[in-house]
Amino acid sequence: DADVTQTPRNRITKTGKRIMLECSQTKGHDRMYWYRQDPGLGLRLIYYSFDVKDINKGEISDGYSVSRQAQAKFSLSLESAIPNQTALYFCATSDPGTLAGELFFGEGSRLTVL
Amino acid sequence: KQEVTQIPAALSVPEGENLVLNCSFTDSAIYNLQWFRQDPGKGLTSLLLIQSSQREQTSGRLNASLDKSSGRSTLYIAASQPGDSATYLCAVSGGNEKLTFGTGTRLTIIP
Repeated sequence: DADVTQTPRNRITKTGKRIMLECSQTKGHDRMYWYRQDPGLGLRLIYYSFDVKDINKGEISDGYSVSRQAQAKFSLSLESAIPNQTALYFCATSDPGTLAGELFFGEGSRLTVL
Repeated sequence: KQEVTQIPAALSVPEGENLVLNCSFTDSAIYNLQWFRQDPGKGLTSLLLIQSSQREQTSGRLNASLDKSSGRSTLYIAASQPGDSATYLCAVSGGNEKLTFGTGTRLTIIP
Protein backbone atom coordinates (compact mmCIF):
# COMPACT_ATOMS: atom_id res chain seq x y z
CA ASP A 1 0.00 0.00 0.00
CA ALA A 2 1.09 3.55 -0.73
CA ASP A 3 2.42 5.64 2.15
CA VAL A 4 0.38 8.66 0.97
CA THR A 5 -3.05 7.82 -0.42
CA GLN A 6 -5.34 10.22 -2.25
CA THR A 7 -9.01 9.73 -3.07
CA PRO A 8 -10.57 10.04 -5.53
CA ARG A 9 -7.90 9.58 -8.19
CA ASN A 10 -10.12 11.06 -10.87
CA ARG A 11 -13.20 13.25 -10.62
CA ILE A 12 -15.32 15.08 -13.14
CA THR A 13 -17.76 17.62 -11.77
CA LYS A 14 -19.78 20.64 -12.79
CA THR A 15 -19.31 24.31 -12.04
CA GLY A 16 -20.71 25.26 -8.65
CA LYS A 17 -20.49 21.82 -7.09
CA ARG A 18 -18.72 21.18 -3.79
CA ILE A 19 -15.80 18.80 -4.03
CA MET A 20 -13.62 17.19 -1.38
CA LEU A 21 -10.29 15.55 -2.05
CA GLU A 22 -8.96 13.36 0.72
CA CYS A 23 -5.45 12.42 1.73
CA SER A 24 -4.27 9.92 4.30
CA GLN A 25 -0.73 8.91 5.21
CA THR A 26 0.94 6.11 7.10
CA LYS A 27 4.37 7.72 7.38
CA GLY A 28 3.66 9.29 10.77
CA HIS A 29 4.69 12.72 9.52
CA ASP A 30 3.35 15.86 11.16
CA ARG A 31 3.56 18.10 8.11
CA MET A 32 1.08 17.75 5.26
CA TYR A 33 0.61 19.80 2.10
CA TRP A 34 -1.75 20.27 -0.81
CA TYR A 35 -0.33 21.29 -4.20
CA ARG A 36 -1.85 21.73 -7.62
CA GLN A 37 -0.05 21.07 -10.88
CA ASP A 38 -0.92 22.82 -14.11
CA PRO A 39 0.84 22.34 -17.46
CA GLY A 40 3.64 24.85 -17.88
CA LEU A 41 3.26 26.28 -14.37
CA GLY A 42 4.88 23.72 -12.12
CA LEU A 43 3.47 22.76 -8.74
CA ARG A 44 2.01 25.48 -6.53
CA LEU A 45 1.25 25.28 -2.82
CA ILE A 46 -2.40 25.64 -1.80
CA TYR A 47 -2.36 24.93 1.96
CA TYR A 48 -0.11 23.28 4.48
CA SER A 49 -0.45 22.02 8.05
CA PHE A 50 2.17 21.39 10.72
CA ASP A 51 -0.21 19.52 13.02
CA VAL A 52 -3.91 19.05 13.72
CA LYS A 53 -4.30 22.55 15.15
CA ASP A 54 -2.16 24.34 12.61
CA ILE A 55 -3.37 25.36 9.14
CA ASN A 56 -1.56 27.78 6.84
CA LYS A 57 -2.34 29.31 3.48
CA GLY A 58 -0.03 28.76 0.57
CA GLU A 59 0.40 30.92 -2.48
CA ILE A 60 -2.92 30.05 -4.16
CA SER A 61 -5.44 29.37 -1.35
CA ASP A 62 -8.34 31.43 -2.72
CA GLY A 63 -11.32 29.20 -3.56
CA TYR A 64 -10.03 26.33 -1.41
CA SER A 65 -10.33 25.25 2.20
CA VAL A 66 -8.74 22.41 4.16
CA SER A 67 -9.37 20.30 7.23
CA ARG A 68 -6.80 18.38 9.26
CA GLN A 69 -8.97 15.75 10.90
CA ALA A 70 -6.09 13.82 12.43
CA GLN A 71 -2.33 13.59 12.10
CA ALA A 72 -2.81 11.15 9.25
CA LYS A 73 -5.64 12.89 7.38
CA PHE A 74 -5.73 16.16 5.47
CA SER A 75 -8.60 17.01 3.13
CA LEU A 76 -8.96 19.73 0.52
CA SER A 77 -12.34 21.23 -0.34
CA LEU A 78 -13.57 23.32 -3.22
CA GLU A 79 -16.77 24.92 -1.94
CA SER A 80 -17.99 25.96 -5.39
CA ALA A 81 -15.85 24.52 -8.14
CA ILE A 82 -15.01 26.58 -11.21
CA PRO A 83 -13.40 25.48 -14.51
CA ASN A 84 -10.01 27.10 -13.79
CA GLN A 85 -9.67 24.74 -10.82
CA THR A 86 -9.28 21.92 -13.30
CA ALA A 87 -5.86 20.53 -12.43
CA LEU A 88 -3.89 17.67 -10.95
CA TYR A 89 -3.86 17.91 -7.15
CA PHE A 90 -1.18 16.38 -4.97
CA CYS A 91 -0.98 15.74 -1.26
CA ALA A 92 2.48 15.53 0.28
CA THR A 93 4.04 14.93 3.69
CA SER A 94 7.37 15.74 5.28
CA ASP A 95 9.22 15.34 8.54
CA PRO A 96 11.94 18.01 8.69
CA GLY A 97 13.24 16.83 12.03
CA THR A 98 14.60 13.59 10.68
CA LEU A 99 14.45 13.92 6.92
CA ALA A 100 15.59 17.50 6.41
CA GLY A 101 12.44 18.54 4.57
CA GLU A 102 12.20 15.71 2.08
CA LEU A 103 8.72 15.56 0.57
CA PHE A 104 6.71 12.41 -0.08
CA PHE A 105 3.85 12.69 -2.56
CA GLY A 106 0.63 10.84 -3.19
CA GLU A 107 -0.25 9.73 -6.72
CA GLY A 108 -2.49 12.68 -7.38
CA SER A 109 -6.16 13.46 -7.89
CA ARG A 110 -7.13 14.64 -11.35
CA LEU A 111 -10.06 17.05 -11.12
CA THR A 112 -12.01 18.27 -14.14
CA VAL A 113 -14.58 21.02 -13.66
CA LEU A 114 -16.99 21.42 -16.57
CA LYS B 1 10.63 35.99 -5.64
CA GLN B 2 12.37 32.70 -6.32
CA GLU B 3 12.15 31.42 -9.88
CA VAL B 4 13.26 27.97 -10.96
CA THR B 5 14.00 27.14 -14.59
CA GLN B 6 14.66 23.79 -16.20
CA ILE B 7 16.02 23.75 -19.72
CA PRO B 8 15.46 21.92 -21.99
CA ALA B 9 11.79 21.11 -21.53
CA ALA B 10 12.31 17.80 -23.32
CA LEU B 11 15.32 15.61 -24.04
CA SER B 12 15.78 12.36 -25.96
CA VAL B 13 18.96 10.29 -25.70
CA PRO B 14 19.96 6.77 -26.80
CA GLU B 15 20.08 4.06 -24.17
CA GLY B 16 23.41 3.71 -22.41
CA GLU B 17 24.46 7.32 -22.66
CA ASN B 18 25.27 9.48 -19.68
CA LEU B 19 23.24 12.65 -19.45
CA VAL B 20 22.86 15.83 -17.45
CA LEU B 21 19.67 17.64 -16.54
CA ASN B 22 19.86 21.29 -15.55
CA CYS B 23 18.08 23.39 -12.95
CA SER B 24 18.71 27.08 -12.32
CA PHE B 25 17.31 29.33 -9.60
CA THR B 26 17.37 33.08 -9.06
CA ASP B 27 17.75 33.43 -5.27
CA SER B 28 20.80 31.72 -3.78
CA ALA B 29 19.43 31.91 -0.21
CA ILE B 30 18.07 28.38 -0.23
CA TYR B 31 17.53 25.77 2.48
CA ASN B 32 17.70 22.75 0.23
CA LEU B 33 17.10 21.56 -3.30
CA GLN B 34 15.29 18.38 -4.29
CA TRP B 35 15.13 16.41 -7.50
CA PHE B 36 11.96 14.47 -8.22
CA ARG B 37 10.85 12.03 -10.85
CA GLN B 38 7.28 12.01 -12.17
CA ASP B 39 5.89 9.20 -14.30
CA PRO B 40 2.74 9.82 -16.40
CA GLY B 41 -0.36 9.73 -14.24
CA LYS B 42 1.71 9.26 -11.11
CA GLY B 43 2.88 11.33 -8.22
CA LEU B 44 6.35 12.68 -7.61
CA THR B 45 9.07 10.44 -6.26
CA SER B 46 11.94 12.08 -4.40
CA LEU B 47 15.29 11.14 -5.93
CA LEU B 48 17.84 13.26 -4.13
CA LEU B 49 17.84 16.08 -1.61
CA ILE B 50 20.83 18.40 -1.24
CA GLN B 51 21.12 20.63 1.80
CA SER B 52 22.39 24.16 1.25
CA SER B 53 25.68 23.25 2.95
CA GLN B 54 26.29 20.30 0.62
CA ARG B 55 27.83 20.23 -2.85
CA GLU B 56 26.44 16.94 -4.11
CA GLN B 57 24.47 13.81 -3.33
CA THR B 58 24.63 10.40 -4.96
CA SER B 59 22.19 7.53 -5.19
CA GLY B 60 23.05 4.64 -7.46
CA ARG B 61 23.40 5.93 -11.03
CA LEU B 62 22.21 9.39 -10.02
CA ASN B 63 24.38 12.26 -8.88
CA ALA B 64 23.05 15.72 -8.07
CA SER B 65 25.28 18.75 -7.61
CA LEU B 66 24.55 22.15 -6.16
CA ASP B 67 26.33 25.46 -6.80
CA LYS B 68 24.50 28.10 -4.81
CA SER B 69 26.72 30.97 -5.91
CA SER B 70 25.81 30.43 -9.55
CA GLY B 71 22.22 29.37 -8.81
CA ARG B 72 22.57 26.01 -10.50
CA SER B 73 22.02 22.35 -9.88
CA THR B 74 22.58 19.42 -12.19
CA LEU B 75 21.27 15.86 -12.12
CA TYR B 76 23.66 13.42 -13.73
CA ILE B 77 22.29 10.06 -14.85
CA ALA B 78 24.87 7.45 -15.75
CA ALA B 79 24.33 4.64 -18.24
CA SER B 80 20.75 5.62 -19.03
CA GLN B 81 18.04 2.95 -19.35
CA PRO B 82 14.56 3.01 -20.92
CA GLY B 83 13.12 2.85 -17.40
CA ASP B 84 14.66 6.25 -16.72
CA SER B 85 12.13 7.83 -19.10
CA ALA B 86 10.04 10.24 -17.04
CA THR B 87 9.72 13.92 -16.22
CA TYR B 88 12.35 15.21 -13.81
CA LEU B 89 11.55 18.17 -11.62
CA CYS B 90 13.72 20.20 -9.32
CA ALA B 91 12.38 22.19 -6.39
CA VAL B 92 14.08 24.77 -4.22
CA SER B 93 13.17 25.40 -0.59
CA GLY B 94 13.64 28.74 1.09
CA GLY B 95 13.15 27.12 4.50
CA ASN B 96 9.72 28.69 5.03
CA GLU B 97 7.63 25.78 3.77
CA LYS B 98 7.60 27.34 0.35
CA LEU B 99 8.97 25.03 -2.27
CA THR B 100 9.39 26.56 -5.71
CA PHE B 101 9.20 23.99 -8.48
CA GLY B 102 10.56 24.07 -11.97
CA THR B 103 8.32 22.93 -14.81
CA GLY B 104 10.46 19.88 -15.45
CA THR B 105 12.43 18.18 -18.19
CA ARG B 106 10.68 15.32 -19.98
CA LEU B 107 13.33 12.66 -20.60
CA THR B 108 12.96 9.91 -23.18
CA ILE B 109 15.54 7.13 -23.38
CA ILE B 110 15.54 5.54 -26.82
CA PRO B 111 16.18 1.75 -26.77
